[in-house]
Amino acid sequence: DAEITQSPRHKITETGRQVTLACHQTWNHNNMFWYRQDLGHGLRLIHYSYGVHDTNKGEVSDGYSVSRSNTEDLPLTLESAASSQTSVYFCASSLDRAGEQYFGPGTRLTVT
Amino acid sequence: RKEVEQDPGPFNVPEGATVAFNCTYSNSASQSFFWYRQDCRKEPKLLMSVYSSGNEDGRFTAQLNRASQYISLLIRDSKLSDSATYLCVVNERNSGYALNFGKGTSLLVTP
Repeated sequence: DAEITQSPRHKITETGRQVTLACHQTWNHNNMFWYRQDLGHGLRLIHYSYGVHDTNKGEVSDGYSVSRSNTEDLPLTLESAASSQTSVYFCASSLDRAGEQYFGPGTRLTVT
Repeated sequence: RKEVEQDPGPFNVPEGATVAFNCTYSNSASQSFFWYRQDCRKEPKLLMSVYSSGNEDGRFTAQLNRASQYISLLIRDSKLSDSATYLCVVNERNSGYALNFGKGTSLLVTP
């Protein structure tokens, strides 16, 4: 069955380290998204991509970057992790830009 | 950023009850509308899309009022397994088609 996966599921890192979170989908969706979820804020968009080599900034993109070298993957990189980036990160994909999005299981990141 | 507003609850209802959630959105350019369900510490899962004519899926009915910028979800005959957080979600064309999430309404169905 087609699916969307994220790895690692849990990560503890130190302030200042570079961290990459993986997202992989097998639906062949062109559209992929990264969100973070924090108490009191709901889900907020970090970056998104509409296809290979396309990337766009979302609402809370500072300190994060993405690259899209193929349809299946959209890795999220924290260039220099900060304690404010402790959060749960969800990746999502969609067939249509305005259509429903399907979410991965999430990565719980703690920056100490 | 345009807002999607929901009553956070919690809504505590007995099994078999009918419960309704409401949501308002401020961006009149919003194109598509959804209800997602999120269980504790899990990913959001699509419950249903919301269409202008209203739509029903089993015990769940969703309504959209574009003029009032208002979305609703009705759950009939509540089950214990309906306990979760329900997220009102709007897709805004002028935000790159990204989803704009409400903060969610918590539902607890009790025996």
